[in-house]
Amino acid sequence: GENVEQHPSTLSVQEGDSAVIKCTYSDSASNYFPWYKQELGKRPQLIIDIRSNVGEKKDQRIAVTLNKTAKHFSLHITETQPEDSAVYFCAASGSGGGADGLTFGKGTHLIIQP
Amino acid sequence: DAGVTQSPTHLIKTRGQQVTLRCSPKSGHDTVSWYQQALGQGPQFIFQYYEEEERQRGNFPDRFSGHQFPNYSSELNVNALLLGDSALYLCASSQGPNQPQHFGDGTRLSIL
Repeated sequence: GENVEQHPSTLSVQEGDSAVIKCTYSDSASNYFPWYKQELGKRPQLIIDIRSNVGEKKDQRIAVTLNKTAKHFSLHITETQPEDSAVYFCAASGSGGGADGLTFGKGTHLIIQP
Repeated sequence: DAGVTQSPTHLIKTRGQQVTLRCSPKSGHDTVSWYQQALGQGPQFIFQYYEEEERQRGNFPDRFSGHQFPNYSSELNVNALLLGDSALYLCASSQGPNQPQHFGDGTRLSIL
């Protein structure tokens, strides 16, 4: 089955700086890669996603890049703000022949220092 | 427009008991997936329901079973509860399989 590795487990950045979180996946058949933000005690919230036919996608301060050859994808957050503090999860799916549960990484705790 | 709703929000059971958790998908969504999230971990996929059938299953024992109703709502049943079943159980819905999944707030299950 699919295996998703996520790094780092904790990331502390100064407010206004950029943050990058990296994930690798094992199953070359995976074709969908979402990112979720989970604040303490709340639901995971979909913040951006990318499919394997696209190399990069941006939404305001958030961007995701995908390297299919190397089987890794990254989340980039620019001009970080205090409200960006949360746990971020990457996930992969698409190798299930049309029925697609997500395989998640272990999460990155992003801390924005004022 | 209501999002994904789950009930109950919290539940306390003892070992060996059985539990049923419920999920109503977001309006317009027909696919429901269930996940187990242990403290400090990422969600783990349990199974997915579409057209009232289980279409894919993660690495969970047969003690975990489910159902999807004609109105697309879903139930997760867990039999013979173990201490290790204590976790947050999340339901996610989507407009079809392999489409973006949106999560509910979850049910916090504690096994004593």
